[in-house]
Amino acid sequence: GAVVSQHPSRVICKSGTSVKIECRSLDFQATTMFWYRQFPKQSLMLMATSNEGSKATYEQGVEKDKFLINHASLTLSTLTVTSAHPEDSSFYICSARNPLRQGVGDTIYFGEGSWLTVV
Amino acid sequence: DAKTTQPNSMESNEEEPVHLPCNHSTISGTDYIHWYRQLPSQGPEYVIHGLTSNVNNRMASLAIAEDRKSSTLILHRATLRDAAVYYCIGRNRDDKIIFGKGTRLHILP
Repeated sequence: GAVVSQHPSRVICKSGTSVKIECRSLDFQATTMFWYRQFPKQSLMLMATSNEGSKATYEQGVEKDKFLINHASLTLSTLTVTSAHPEDSSFYICSARNPLRQGVGDTIYFGEGSWLTVV
Repeated sequence: DAKTTQPNSMESNEEEPVHLPCNHSTISGTDYIHWYRQLPSQGPEYVIHGLTSNVNNRMASLAIAEDRKSSTLILHRATLRDAAVYYCIGRNRDDKIIFGKGTRLHILP
């Protein structure tokens, strides 16, 4: 079963409003989570790294005031798209690092993704 | 992350083996070679990773060239459910993952 869960899986919002997407690690504590966006037929683009208890680190070209990231607990990170516009419509994906798996298999797990449509 | 080069797309017949190549000539000595795949409308999933030796798991095999400048992901018997975009990534195990364009694998029934 999924170890990283996103909610909602699909959301439609009106232009100018804000929308929040949640990313939860289900059976481990994730001190670090990552947020990506993906346009149709394109690859995933890393937006930011979310660290529990501290400010997120944004990739170059990503507006931190536009895409608010909060990582208030070890199992939850949220991405809020503020003042959404149609060009923000995209597939948003989070991932979480499980520190306990260091040295065993892979350490990063991805959520199922969230489709955002801004109308 | 090391720069990787993959073919844009590949085709294979169902129930036949598939060899997905990846070039990573600039990979550092401590970077692992990771493979992820993304099925349509889903988040990526981990497939396999290795450092120097060939690796096998229940999903696939990873053959790593002796000079580590290239690797091949092997799906031993492709099914329709293996149709996905496959990403080859060179990274330190705890680093963030930067995705390239990947290879879109089409499976023909």
